[in-house]
Amino acid sequence: SYVLTQPPSLSVAPGKTAKITCGGNNIGSKRVHWFQQKPGQAPVLVIYYDNVRPSGIPERFSGSNSGNTATLTVSSVEVGDEADYYCQVWDNDSAHVVFGGGTKLTVL
Amino acid sequence: QLQLQESGPGLVKPSETLSLTCTVSGDSISSSNYYWGWIRQPPGKGLEWIGTIYYSSGTTYYSPSLKSRVTISIDTSKNQLSLKLPSVTATDTAVYYCARHPYGSGMEIDFWGQGTLVSVSS
Repeated sequence: SYVLTQPPSLSVAPGKTAKITCGGNNIGSKRVHWFQQKPGQAPVLVIYYDNVRPSGIPERFSGSNSGNTATLTVSSVEVGDEADYYCQVWDNDSAHVVFGGGTKLTVL
Repeated sequence: QLQLQESGPGLVKPSETLSLTCTVSGDSISSSNYYWGWIRQPPGKGLEWIGTIYYSSGTTYYSPSLKSRVTISIDTSKNQLSLKLPSVTATDTAVYYCARHPYGSGMEIDFWGQGTLVSVSS
């Protein structure tokens, strides 16, 4: 089955840029979605179809996808961006939804 | 305004059946515009997809790790999504979310319920 690999954690200072990666075999051929989850809350979609922001998501959130790596970029990071971030794809070959293991973003 | 509300027992005994429903308000669960699914999250761990259903075609998709046990169905009369997971063990303890996927090739999840914690314990 298809596997998505994320770094468990990432620390960034306020105002800097955070790049959260999601690795998968030829992931560039798939459509990648990203979720933000804060403690005790349901996940929220922040990027879909690689680089599209849903209504209400700040422009500081952007995405890219090529080769074997997709990346969620959070610019000018704020304390309020501290959360777990998950990537997700639809693996058409197996007809399965696949999640990455999640990355805990710490803002310090 | 769309709302997804999960409901069901918060405590299930080992070897019994976990049964949850998700009541959809603000949209029709039989709409051809959406798939509907279940995702769970064990305490302190990541998201795990359980399965997804598309009412218009009657197609269900299940996680390979749960496929032998899980059943997802839709009751259009109540506008509800349901999940049944028999023979539970402690490893099935998790927050269970229902979710909506817009119809299309990406299967992104654009809306989540608030989630409900189910503990498996005697």
